Amino acid sequence: AQSVTQPDIHITVSEGASLELRCNYSYGATPYLFWYVQSPGQGLQLLLKYFSGDTLVQGIKGFEAEFKRSQSSFNLRKPSVHWSDAAEYFCAVGQETSGSRLTFGEGTQLTVNP
Amino acid sequence: NAGVTQTPKFQVLKTGQSMTLQCAQDMNHEYMSWYRQDPGMGLRLIHYSVGAGITDQGEVPNGYNVSRSTTEDFPLRLLSAAPSQTSVYFCASSMGLVNEQYFGPGTRLTVT
Repeated sequence: AQSVTQPDIHITVSEGASLELRCNYSYGATPYLFWYVQSPGQGLQLLLKYFSGDTLVQGIKGFEAEFKRSQSSFNLRKPSVHWSDAAEYFCAVGQETSGSRLTFGEGTQLTVNP
Repeated sequence: NAGVTQTPKFQVLKTGQSMTLQCAQDMNHEYMSWYRQDPGMGLRLIHYSVGAGITDQGEVPNGYNVSRSTTEDFPLRLLSAAPSQTSVYFCASSMGLVNEQYFGPGTRLTVT
């Protein structure tokens, strides 16, 4: 069965600092990988996705993520964090054979200090 | 386009009551899903549908029913509410797994 682990429950960074959120997955074949962001009281919005090809993917709001098969990781990065990036971030993995079934990680809450 | 809409936004039920959470999308998406979100547990899939007339169970289906009579609508029914069903419920739709899932704004349900 597929699974996703986000090791960091809560991360605090200063505005302007760089950010890396970790995501590790467990899945036998090449996974479909996603990062979503959830602002307080809102639904989830897709930041970026990886299906195949270039292992470094660019997303919205200046985010990028790198797929590393050898480490079973799909970490999210941003070079300079803005106060508006404070939110909860979810990594998710999917498999094509199960239709729209995604498995989500537990989430990482990001706090941005001024 | 309204995207994915959910009603109600908030609901309080007493144990044993039943209710239906409504979900509709106007993007002609084949795939629709229901998730529940609980603190520290991420989103867990309750039921999903790959098209009108086709539904299947997700990770935590017990206590919930779904049906998909049209492409647009995917209601979630709580048969006999229990305090363990206190959660935030999200509906999502997509053209397929390889496409972005669009989430509704959520329904916050409290069962007392």
